[in-house]
Amino acid sequence: EIVMTQSPATLSVSPGERATLSCRASQSVSSNLAWYQQKPGQAPRLLIYGASTRATGIPARFSGSGSGTEFTLTISSLQSEDFAVYYCQQYNNWPPTWTFGQGTKVEIK
Amino acid sequence: EVQLVQSGAEVKKPGESLKISCKGSGYSFTSYWIGWVRQMPGKGLEWMGIIYPGDSDTRYSPSFQGQVTISADKSISTAYLQWSSLKASDTAMYYCVRHLVGGYFDYWGQGTLVTVSS
Repeated sequence: EIVMTQSPATLSVSPGERATLSCRASQSVSSNLAWYQQKPGQAPRLLIYGASTRATGIPARFSGSGSGTEFTLTISSLQSEDFAVYYCQQYNNWPPTWTFGQGTKVEIK
Repeated sequence: EVQLVQSGAEVKKPGESLKISCKGSGYSFTSYWIGWVRQMPGKGLEWMGIIYPGDSDTRYSPSFQGQVTISADKSISTAYLQWSSLKASDTAMYYCVRHLVGGYFDYWGQGTLVTVSS
């Protein structure tokens, strides 16, 4: 099983500042990586797929980068609605044994 | 508009059986895989398995193989997640998801909270 490790567990950021979230895979997943946002009491929402492609309707302040084992989600200027938990997910294999990271909580500083 | 609408919250006792549902609309139900994701209280996301309603091809995470059954009825555009004997550790929110080619999930249901308690 591919283990996904996110860091940090919690990120304290002021509104308007940049947030950088990391996700590391225990083995290469190529660019088969997605990012999701989950707000309290809500279902997760797809932000990024293919490591760097924004999903439909996702603002340009969200960007993804990386390939292989190291990935980054950057939120260029945090808005109040961006404070949430973010998960990465690898989908590199078939038959599928897809896995999520444990999440990074972005909180208001 | 693509929608995945899940059945309501359930409260069950250990040992009881349960089947929860997820109805898809706004797209061709038989052309996309449907999956299930577990989220235990205060915890992260775990992928459980997927089914292709077109031919009922089903794949499970090794962690959930033998613990749950995923099925679908394409005639009513509905997928199911089923337990034959619930445990307290099955207490969680369960999300159904539409899986796009590749393996990421573009649409999520609203979630079904399952509580197992004696």
